[in-house]
Amino acid sequence: DIQMTQSPSSLSASVGDRVTITCRASQSISSYLNWYQHKPGKAPKLLIYAASSLQSGVPSRFSGSGSGTDFTLTISSLQPEDFATYYCQQSYSTPFTFGPGTKVDIK
Amino acid sequence: QVQLQESGPGLVKPSQTLSLTCTVSGGSISSGSYYWSWIRQPAGKGLEWIGRIYTSGSTNYNPSLKSRVTISVDTSKNQFSLKLSSVTAADTAVYYCARLDFGGNSEFDCWGQGTLVTVSS
Repeated sequence: DIQMTQSPSSLSASVGDRVTITCRASQSISSYLNWYQHKPGKAPKLLIYAASSLQSGVPSRFSGSGSGTDFTLTISSLQPEDFATYYCQQSYSTPFTFGPGTKVDIK
Repeated sequence: QVQLQESGPGLVKPSQTLSLTCTVSGGSISSGSYYWSWIRQPAGKGLEWIGRIYTSGSTNYNPSLKSRVTISVDTSKNQFSLKLSSVTAADTAVYYCARLDFGGNSEFDCWGQGTLVTVSS
């Protein structure tokens, strides 16, 4: 199985801050990397697919980059509705695997 | 706009079989380049992919659960289902159904809200 790691595991930030989350795969996954936002009690929401493509309807303050083993999710200006847990997921091979998550909360 | 909704018992006894159904609304389960998946999340832990099914009935399962999992589809009801046998407390989790778009990058582009299943006597 391809192992996914994320850093940091949690972070505290203020509205308007630029936030960067890193995801690393245990082997090269090309650009088969997706990012999700998850709020308690809600359905997870796809933000970024194929490492850098913005899902329809997702605000442009979210962006993704990377390829191979190292990937980044950036929120350019954190908004109140962005406080959530973020997961990366590889779709290069089955079993599909997720990172352990990064919880973003209010400073 | 497609929506997914999980349903099934919230409490299952150890050694019994967990059964959940996902109802797809707002679109046909048979249209498009989609697989239909189950994913779970134990409390305080990460997301675990359980498996997927295409409307032809073709399935792929996570090897860690393969011996206990069956995913099936009923296109006439626009539903797909999960059965997990011989459950233990370790199977207590929130279970999500999700649509997997394999037309591009195989991303989960639509999710249900999840249903908590507790395994306890």
